Order: sequence, then C-alpha cells, then structure tokens
Amino acid sequence: ETGVTQTPRHLVMGMTNKKSLKCEQHLGHNAMYWYKQSAKKPLELMFVYSLEERVENNSVPSRFSPECPNSSHLFLHLHTLQPEDSALYLCASSQERGNPQETQYFGPGTRLLVL
Amino acid sequence: GESVGLHLPTLSVQEGDNSIINCAYSNSASDYFIWYKQESGKGPQFIIDIRSNMDKRQGQRVTVLLNKTVKHLSLQIAATQPGDSAVYFCAEVSISYNTDKLIFGTGTRLQVFP
Repeated sequence: ETGVTQTPRHLVMGMTNKKSLKCEQHLGHNAMYWYKQSAKKPLELMFVYSLEERVENNSVPSRFSPECPNSSHLFLHLHTLQPEDSALYLCASSQERGNPQETQYFGPGTRLLVL
Repeated sequence: GESVGLHLPTLSVQEGDNSIINCAYSNSASDYFIWYKQESGKGPQFIIDIRSNMDKRQGQRVTVLLNKTVKHLSLQIAATQPGDSAVYFCAEVSISYNTDKLIFGTGTRLQVFP
C-alpha cells in the first residue's frame, strides 16, 4: 500500500455518460497529480494541484475536469468521453510540487473503458 | 525533441540471474533520473534515483548506472526473483527547471521464469 487510494478500480462508460474518478491520499502531502497511462505509451501528466490550487494543465481536453476540494482528495470528472480516452488513470501525490526529488507516490489507478 | 526510450520492450530472465534494463534519453539538460516498477494491477513504484553528478548508485539488489556521454541509463537487478516480474520504466527531469514534470519512458516488461 502506497497511501494513495483510487476508486473505482474499473469503470466502463458510454460516450454520453458522466462519471467521476476519486483519489485520496493519506500521506499528508501537498501536491497531487493526474496521469494517463495508455498501452505502449509513456505516462502522460494531465493535471497538477498544489495546496488545492491547479498549477498545471497539460493541454487536456475539456471533457476532463479536475477538482481538488482539499489537499487529501482529488477528483477527475469525465463527460462525453471518446473511445481513445480508454486508459489507466493514475493519481499520485508528493510532499510538495516543483521539486522532482520529492518522490511521487502512485495509486493503483482506475482502468477506464469508453464504449 | 525530448524523448525517453527503452531498447527492449520485453526481457525474459531465469530466476537467480542478473537483469539489465536499459533506457536512452535525449535531453542533455536532464539531471535527475528515476526508475519505477509497475506490477500488474498497481501503480508505479519508486525504485531508485540518480543525479547527473553520479555515475552509479546502489540500492538493495538494484544498481543504476548513468552514462552521460551517450545519454544512457540502466537498471541492474541482482539475483532476479519472481517478485521482480513487472514493467520497469525510467523517467527524467531537469531539476534546474524547478519542475516536477517527469518525462517517462514507455517501459520494459521483465519476465522471470524458474
């Protein structure tokens, strides 16, 4: 256990559905991240939050909407997704952002399938 | 452009043998490198890191070697065990850029057979 949990672990949704992914970290960290992991592709950073403030948005389509209500919780709201959005979505946290030597702790991910 | 890649997508080794996983990077400004292990159904897990002012760093059964001349990074696992079976990938970043935007490689799958 890394101290980062994600729910649900698996999700199947249609292109017209609205769903949310949840991440919770029990490490007292101040930074949280959303990554997308597609087959045979490198991990792609999507969003970075520091102390509940979004500090980075890597040209992610608006059909992905993050929310960070507090430093322990991070959500990724999904709507009108496309089949190519099917991937493993990973959440991570670190003590502080901006310092790459701060180890990022990853959750187990949510396996998303868009039909 | 900046890229991090791996020479072999799959590596099969016999239990007890040593494993060597390679990674090439192209950004000369990268000065910090990390190896991650990702087991099936789990998120990536930090294994070991190295800064560019070092050529070698050792952990428990793992050693990372950095060759800045040819922009090459390797992870050596001694006495490979079945529990080492996973996807391994490297990541690079430039500390001087004050960013936590790691650039990840695609990964090498390590299979350990008895």
